[in-house]
Amino acid sequence: GQQLNQSPQSMFIQEGEDVSMNCTSSSIFNTWLWYKQDPGEGPVLLIALYKAGELTSNGRLTAQFGITRKDSFLNISASIPSDVGIYFCAGHNNAGNMLTFGGGTRLMVKP
Amino acid sequence: DAGITQSPRHKVTETGTPVTLRCHQTENHRYMYWYRQDPGHGLRLIHYSYGVKDTDKGEVSDGYSVSRSKTEDFLLTLESATSSQTSVYFCAISKTDENEQFFGPGTRLTVL
Repeated sequence: GQQLNQSPQSMFIQEGEDVSMNCTSSSIFNTWLWYKQDPGEGPVLLIALYKAGELTSNGRLTAQFGITRKDSFLNISASIPSDVGIYFCAGHNNAGNMLTFGGGTRLMVKP
Repeated sequence: DAGITQSPRHKVTETGTPVTLRCHQTENHRYMYWYRQDPGHGLRLIHYSYGVKDTDKGEVSDGYSVSRSKTEDFLLTLESATSSQTSVYFCAISKTDENEQFFGPGTRLTVL
């Protein structure tokens, strides 16, 4: 099935650094969601975006809904060790009840 | 945290046996979903429900069936488990089909 292209696949950064990841698609989406998954747990919703151009923050996390509606970005500022995990983007195109998920970005933070 | 529980959390079974996984929610959300998560494939939708007794197939529905007799419970059944169904299974819920989905803690299933 259709998948969103999420990059990078993995990142290994130093504590305190800022992080950027993105998700792109060839199709238009009406909703973008960003999730974080810790080992052995289910994905947890971080940010939901509903309008093209929308910029939303949740603490040190900021996500943007691309103006073309085909991409979204997630930034994490001043990373800390507990930011370690896998980050997933997901999009909804109102063509049914299904969310399309990206392949995930694995973030590792070196103290 | 969204009130979603999954049972069992871990299960080991043998090829050919039937298996039923349960998802229970306390949020009274209309929509419920079953996903499987495998390395290299991300999250893939198996089946979903848009109301009591209303279900539909997802991307990878072959070998799976579902039932929803009450708003709060959504069951996933593997009629005859195969090794290819070894995976981590997640249930999710949402208020509407356009809203964000909230995930349960997952069930790790191993089919020997």
